[in-house]
Amino acid sequence: DGGITQSPKYLFRKEGQNVTLSCEQNLNHDAMYWYRQDPGQGLRLIYYSQIVNDFQKGDIAEGYSVSREKKESFPLTVTSAQKNPTAFYLCASSATGQGGNQPQHFGDGTRLSIL
Amino acid sequence: AQSVSQHNHHVILSEAASLELGCNYSYGGTVNLFWYVQYPGQHLQLLLKYFSGDPLVKGIKGFEAEFIKSKFSFNLRKPSVQWSDTAEYFCAVKQGSNTGKLIFGQGTTLQVKP
Repeated sequence: DGGITQSPKYLFRKEGQNVTLSCEQNLNHDAMYWYRQDPGQGLRLIYYSQIVNDFQKGDIAEGYSVSREKKESFPLTVTSAQKNPTAFYLCASSATGQGGNQPQHFGDGTRLSIL
Repeated sequence: AQSVSQHNHHVILSEAASLELGCNYSYGGTVNLFWYVQYPGQHLQLLLKYFSGDPLVKGIKGFEAEFIKSKFSFNLRKPSVQWSDTAEYFCAVKQGSNTGKLIFGQGTTLQVKP
């Protein structure tokens, strides 16, 4: 079945450590997104990519980095500069075209906690 | 800055009760509107969407939403809820551009008592 796979499901980070969250999709979508979900705040956009080798900052990009070397992969690195990384991270993808009106498809998420 | 506001953070209903969840956005231009649902233990999925045309849109599982441009609102409704509708509901807005960037509301947790 086509879909989005996020791994790991749970991740623990030590102080001062960088960690990378994986997101893979086999939907042949050009666009991919990373969101952070905190209780009572909904989803906030971290980074997005409309095409391979290109990505843009979202609303809360500080302390995060991404790469988009392959169409199906959009890994997110949570750096030590992110002072409050404990959250639920969601990856999404969508087709492009139609003025960006294609719905986004979401993965199951990664829950990141600080040790 | 553009924003999306969901007024109800936690709603508790009995089965067969009617549901209306509020969603307001702050953007004066062309918008596309979505409701997403996250059932317990499942990933976020699209419930319904509005792009243009009839402002009353119907989605899956008997849900519908009405776009009222003058009120900047896109409220979600269901005439009779079921226990299986227990979930978290998110309203989202895409501003008129060629990217798929969405702005999400804070979410509303719906608990339906059997």
